[in-house]
Amino acid sequence: DTGVSQDPRHKITKRGQNVTFRCDPISEHNRLYWYRQTLGQGPEFLTYFQNEAQLEKSRLLSDRFSAERPKGSFSTLEIQRTEQGDSAMYLCASSSSEGQREQYFGPGTRLTVT
Amino acid sequence: AQSVAQPEDQVNVAEGNPLTVKCTYSVSGNPYLFWYVQYPNRGLQFLLKYITGDNLVKGSYGFEAEFNKSQTSFHLKKPSALVSDSALYFCAVRDDRGTYKYIFGTGTRLKVLA
Repeated sequence: DTGVSQDPRHKITKRGQNVTFRCDPISEHNRLYWYRQTLGQGPEFLTYFQNEAQLEKSRLLSDRFSAERPKGSFSTLEIQRTEQGDSAMYLCASSSSEGQREQYFGPGTRLTVT
Repeated sequence: AQSVAQPEDQVNVAEGNPLTVKCTYSVSGNPYLFWYVQYPNRGLQFLLKYITGDNLVKGSYGFEAEFNKSQTSFHLKKPSALVSDSALYFCAVRDDRGTYKYIFGTGTRLKVLA
């Protein structure tokens, strides 16, 4: 069990640029979540995958955001035409669907939009 | 709608003293409650969870939490605080619909003073 990994850990971009983040969940976990955390706040849910199917998207996820999980393995979160308000920590979590399993979180990708 | 509240932004405690970090919840069905800890520039680490059963839940690093249904609370406790416990603590409730996403509180910063 190598844990959830995310890449990159930090990203600085200029307003208007596109960025893409990657999440590699724990290998046997079929549930994958993306959350966004801004300073002084708790993480807020963005989207959820079960295997390769994206089953829920938060209203926080504007049409500039898109997420994929091809083949039910790693996931990517892309933000197009970034805005300064997109600056946040983007957290990925995964869990097993067995029983009442908790979510395991990656280290996060900190995005700064200048 | 599910929600949690963490009424204290910061809790200060002397090393060796007992600590309590408060959390109250609001759910429409059975509560599934979690505590996570976050160290600087790190993801969230799972501490413990309440699903059903005993009201006193034991978790990692000597932490425990007391579930109180009548007061709708799930306070995090530790009998003897360590300086290394200083971190940001989040309470979360699991959404009881299909995605099982988490709804987090705003977090409580714990500072343990030597």
